[in-house]
Amino acid sequence: AQSVTQPDIHITVSEGASLELRCNYSYGATPYLFWYVQSPGQGLQLLLKYFSGDTLVQGIKGFEAEFKRSQSSFNLRKPSVHWSDAAEYFCAVGEDDDYKLSFGAGTTVTVRA
Amino acid sequence: GAVVSQHPSWVICKSGTSVKIECRSLDFQATTMFWYRQFPKQSLMLMATSNEGSKATYEQGVEKDKFLINHASLTLSTLTVTSAHPEDSSFYICSALEDRGGQPQHFGDGTRLSIL
Repeated sequence: AQSVTQPDIHITVSEGASLELRCNYSYGATPYLFWYVQSPGQGLQLLLKYFSGDTLVQGIKGFEAEFKRSQSSFNLRKPSVHWSDAAEYFCAVGEDDDYKLSFGAGTTVTVRA
Repeated sequence: GAVVSQHPSWVICKSGTSVKIECRSLDFQATTMFWYRQFPKQSLMLMATSNEGSKATYEQGVEKDKFLINHASLTLSTLTVTSAHPEDSSFYICSALEDRGGQPQHFGDGTRLSIL
């Protein structure tokens, strides 16, 4: 069974600074990889996804993520953080046969002025 | 596109009552939907996979008689928490897969359930 690890529980970053959120997965084949963002009391919004092809994927809100097979990682990055990026971020891994997702524990991002 | 509507967004009810939560795909058909539970400051835990026209598939440890799932049409799945108790209080989120295209899952905005 696949598993997802987000090593950082909480990250604080200054507005305008860069952000990187780590995600490592355990899966036998090439997984489907996702990053979702959740604001308090809300559902999840898809930031970006990786299925195959170019390992650097661009998402919404200026986010990007890079799939590194050798490191089993799919880290999320943003060059310049805005105060509105403060939220909970979840990395998820999916399979193509039953479409279930396994979520990481999440990383809380706090943005300071 | 790919909007999932979840209703109600917040419900408070007395212990022992049953509560129904609806999950609708507004602009696409979804044979498969999922129900998650999320505790404060925690990740999403998959409860069950809802399949239109067949029984739901529950994850290990989830009581199917407590959490009744009905996928009545290609755009609607409901989760009924039966005889709810305070320990059932949680944030419940649904998601739906488009029949055309599969992944990714599209999520509703969640339902905050509080049992007094």
